[in-house]
Amino acid sequence: DAKTTQPPSMDCAEGRAANLPCNHSTISGNEYVYWYRQIHSQGPQYIIHGLKNNETNEMASLIITEDRKSSTLILPHATLRDTAVYYCIVAFSGGYQKVTFGIGTKLQVIP
Amino acid sequence: EAGVTQFPSHSVIEKGQTVTLRCDPISGHDNLYWYRRVMGKEIKFLLHFVKESKQDESGMPNNRFLAERTGGTYSTLKVQPAELEDSGVYFCASSPLLLTGTNEQFFGPGTRLTVL
Repeated sequence: DAKTTQPPSMDCAEGRAANLPCNHSTISGNEYVYWYRQIHSQGPQYIIHGLKNNETNEMASLIITEDRKSSTLILPHATLRDTAVYYCIVAFSGGYQKVTFGIGTKLQVIP
Repeated sequence: EAGVTQFPSHSVIEKGQTVTLRCDPISGHDNLYWYRRVMGKEIKFLLHFVKESKQDESGMPNNRFLAERTGGTYSTLKVQPAELEDSGVYFCASSPLLLTGTNEQFFGPGTRLTVL
């Protein structure tokens, strides 16, 4: 699996958009970008994934650059409950998928 | 629909003892994964089952760890004998067996293991 690079920590004011960047310059053509998060003391939680088009669901939006070498996870209106460690992962879709977690980005939402 | 459940939520044992962790995946999910986070480190993959068969054990640290999934439903992870470095949080995840699609993994809340 391709390696990802994320900033170790970020702050965001409550109610504002949180934009979490991820670099994945060695991503291969059929690898997807997945985002998970881990809220303190809970198991990781899937957020969203995409291949090359921008994606949106009830939790977040995912913006992938045209060259697919980087992406941004957007939480449109961050709340205190969004404080968590966010993991950007690249992996193949379907079948067996061993998730390789990195260090992730610790997002602190500030009141 | 019930999520992935793990038991116990917390276990404290002494070095040399045996502990068995249990994971109940979401009903119908053939893929079952074990991960663990040792204090201060990243979450690491341990192994993967498809139904009752072990597909990938590459992350198992040593032969003190034994995972089973008899009948392809729940899974157990036994540590025998436990060592201090086994302390951490053990996560279980499950996903349906799909050739294509999201293949997102659904994680349980974890079992916190403390070896004294």
